Formats: sequence, C-alpha cells, structure tokens
Amino acid sequence: SVLLYQKPNRDICQSGTSLKIQCVADSQVVSMFWYQQFQEQSLMLMATANEGSEATYESGFTKDKFPISRPNLTFSTLTVNNARPGDSSIYFCSSREWGGWNTLYFGAGTRLSVL
Amino acid sequence: AQSVDQPDAHVTLYEGASLELRCSYSYSAAPYLFWYVQYPGQSLQFLLKYITGDAVVKGTKGFEAEFRKSNSSFNLKKSPAHWSDSAKYFCALEGPTSSSFSKLVFGQGTSLSVVP
Repeated sequence: SVLLYQKPNRDICQSGTSLKIQCVADSQVVSMFWYQQFQEQSLMLMATANEGSEATYESGFTKDKFPISRPNLTFSTLTVNNARPGDSSIYFCSSREWGGWNTLYFGAGTRLSVL
Repeated sequence: AQSVDQPDAHVTLYEGASLELRCSYSYSAAPYLFWYVQYPGQSLQFLLKYITGDAVVKGTKGFEAEFRKSNSSFNLKKSPAHWSDSAKYFCALEGPTSSSFSKLVFGQGTSLSVVP
C-alpha cells in the first residue's frame, strides 16, 4: 500500500487569497492525483501530476487557478489561487503503488473553507 | 467516455438484513472496477476490486461484489449488515488501461444507513 500524508488537514482563508496543500507519499510513486469533493458529493478528478512534467488537468480545472507541482517522486503540492467561497470543499491527493492493477490510495484530505 | 452510475443516493436498512448497493457502468472496453467506503469526516478506504477472472470478488470488512458483464453492473453486497457499515460507498471505474498513470472515475456515491 501507499501512505499519503496531507497538510494542512483543515484551513480557513479569506476570498482572494491563496492556499497551498502538500501531499507526501511514504514511497516513490509515479502519478499523484488530486481530487475535489464538495459536501455530500462525489469525487471529481482535478489533475494528474507526474514528476518532472506539467500536470494534466481535467475539464473545468486550470493550472492558473489550481497550479500543481511535482518536484520529485514522493511529493506534490496543490495551490488554490484567488480562493472563492465556491472553492470550499475537501481536496484529496491519491496515488498507487508502482505498476498497474494496483489500488488507488487516498490521503486524509484537506478541508478548505473560504470566507 | 467512461462513466459510473449509482442510482440510489440513500439506502436504509435494519441491522442483520442483507445489503446490496447498485453500480452500473458504461465503458467500451474491459473495465477495472472498484468499491471504496467513506466514513463521516474521513478519507476513502479501499474495499475491493475486479480486474479479471471470477465474477465474484471478496474484499475487506466482509464485503463482496459481483461483476455482471451482461448488464454492466458491479453491485456491492454484504450479509448481514451491521450498524458500523453506515457510511458512503463509491463505485469507481478505471480505464482504458491499468497502469500507474490510470485515473479513476467515481460514481455519485450511495449513503448507507444501517439502523440497529
């Protein structure tokens, strides 16, 4: 399995500010995925981050709004720029052990509230 | 495009009853299917997966799921249900290939309440 540590686990910020979320894996992983979950809803994939390359964003998510860095094989950060109340949700990082057919594991999540 | 549908937003049953949570998928190729559980205020935990082989797969916490290609379903089952099974359950699909790069698409989730 892969253990993913996220921080902060909770944050409150003012509209217009930026927030950075960190994710650290306990072993090297190829891809890290960032998901967004609104209250009582499903998880939406935001982007896929591979080491040394630009993150690939899903429809509805942009690098200007949600820049993601992946400087090495165990670390990734998601930034929420110009935060708005509509960004209030839980953000999860996830990854799997090296190779295919392996389970996707999730970090504990970061609960963001934008005032 | 791949998609997952969980038609039941909420399911309530009594402790000791059998539970079955429905999941259907739409995908043109052979799917890789997963079930995850999310307890209130917590992250997602893996329950089980279907990759290939036997249609019935067993997972953690006493759960099992049956893959039915004929009607594109992957329903989650457990008997008997326990009050501690109360949580939100997500069905997910992976494709087109399985690798470290593959992403999961999730269904809407089913909130299960097991009444003592």
